[in-house]
Amino acid sequence: GEDVEQSLFLSVREGDSSVINCTYTDSSSTYLYWYKQEPGAGLQLLTYIFSNMDMKQDQRLTVLLNKKDKHLSLRIADTQTGDSAIYFCAVGGGGFKTIFGAGTRLFVKA
Amino acid sequence: DAGVTQSPTHLIKTRGQQVTLRCSPKSGHDTVSWYQQALGQGPQFIFQYYEEEERQRGNFPDRFSGHQFPNYSSELNVNALLLGDSALYLCASSRLLAGDQETQYFGPGTRLLVL
Repeated sequence: GEDVEQSLFLSVREGDSSVINCTYTDSSSTYLYWYKQEPGAGLQLLTYIFSNMDMKQDQRLTVLLNKKDKHLSLRIADTQTGDSAIYFCAVGGGGFKTIFGAGTRLFVKA
Repeated sequence: DAGVTQSPTHLIKTRGQQVTLRCSPKSGHDTVSWYQQALGQGPQFIFQYYEEEERQRGNFPDRFSGHQFPNYSSELNVNALLLGDSALYLCASSRLLAGDQETQYFGPGTRLLVL
């Protein structure tokens, strides 16, 4: 069935780049999302990419899509302590419902 | 421009009770989806409403039901509550454009605790 897989934890030093990876199975997805969730809060849409794109850059965020391998990544440049949160990869569109991964917990060490 | 709003923010119920959660979509949006996020997990799709009808449903029992009103707001009802229904319930809104759903935006969620 449809599935989205992410690594559970990532730890980086402040100022370094963070790369969070995701793989998915549903090739019909037209939107691929990255959401951020801070403790006790709802989901914040960080960025998204259409399935016909390879890359999207938005300030410190870079999204790369390898459609052949069904691999999505989020790179955060110059990671700050305020970036510590859970990052969810999600795929959707077309079939309307959105499938989420379990989330990657990013720890930023000062 | 108000984003997606949900009420209440927190709720405590006991097993067997019934609960109703409410959602108002972002201005201009006509579609509402509901998700359940258990502790430590990603959100799981419950169902989606468009034009006051349930359009798609995830793998949730019939105890979970919903409604969409003419003003596009929506309710999620859960009957016969179980301890395992304790979770953050998220509402997301989007709009249908050219046959496809545009990106969806999430509300802050309602945290339900079942004792």
